[in-house]
Amino acid sequence: AAGVIQSPRHLIKEKRETATLKCYPIPRHDTVYWYQQGPGQDPQFLISFYEKMQSDKGSIPDRFSAQQFSDYHSELNMSSLELGDSALYFCASSDGDEKLFFGSGTQLSVL
Amino acid sequence: GESVGLHLPTLSVQEGDNSIINCAYSNSASDYFIWYKQESGKGPQFIIDIRSNMDKRQGQRVTVLLNKTVKHLSLQIAATQPGDSAVYFCADSGAGSYQLTFGKGTKLSVIP
Repeated sequence: AAGVIQSPRHLIKEKRETATLKCYPIPRHDTVYWYQQGPGQDPQFLISFYEKMQSDKGSIPDRFSAQQFSDYHSELNMSSLELGDSALYFCASSDGDEKLFFGSGTQLSVL
Repeated sequence: GESVGLHLPTLSVQEGDNSIINCAYSNSASDYFIWYKQESGKGPQFIIDIRSNMDKRQGQRVTVLLNKTVKHLSLQIAATQPGDSAVYFCADSGAGSYQLTFGKGTKLSVIP
């Protein structure tokens, strides 16, 4: 069965650079969630989209923005990167209920 | 905001034994609970879920128990296998939001 696809798998950036993470949800899933997971930490909710509209907002910094496109894929844009942004970024999708299916994540390292 | 938390950060069990991973939640408005398994370098993988109108739900080798009176959730894994070694997270949602709030993970190590 198709799963949530995230790209890139790994990303290395310098401080103050920008990064774009992409997420392709499971086919026919209309809701996308972004989570950030620091080393040894639990995933922290950043933001979610339903039918291309922002549906919920968590602890997402103002330097970050995200959107969902007409094909339901989503992109997380991160600017003015800081060392503390180094983490695993997960995307999850659902078909309208609370059961989220997660991708394999993007490991972002800010040097 | 309130979040779900776990009692123990690590758990070691002998292969073949049963494992019990506990979780305490504080949000009385939570009505949906879910367990995820996360292996190193991978995303959280769905194990089992339960709604607040149920006390128990069984899957293949896994059982989730919900005690709403004391706001406690547990995951039982029968006949634990080496492949069960991973970090286990509980998460909850409720009050009209489908956003999941994760608790601190428990690392399960299976001793061959």
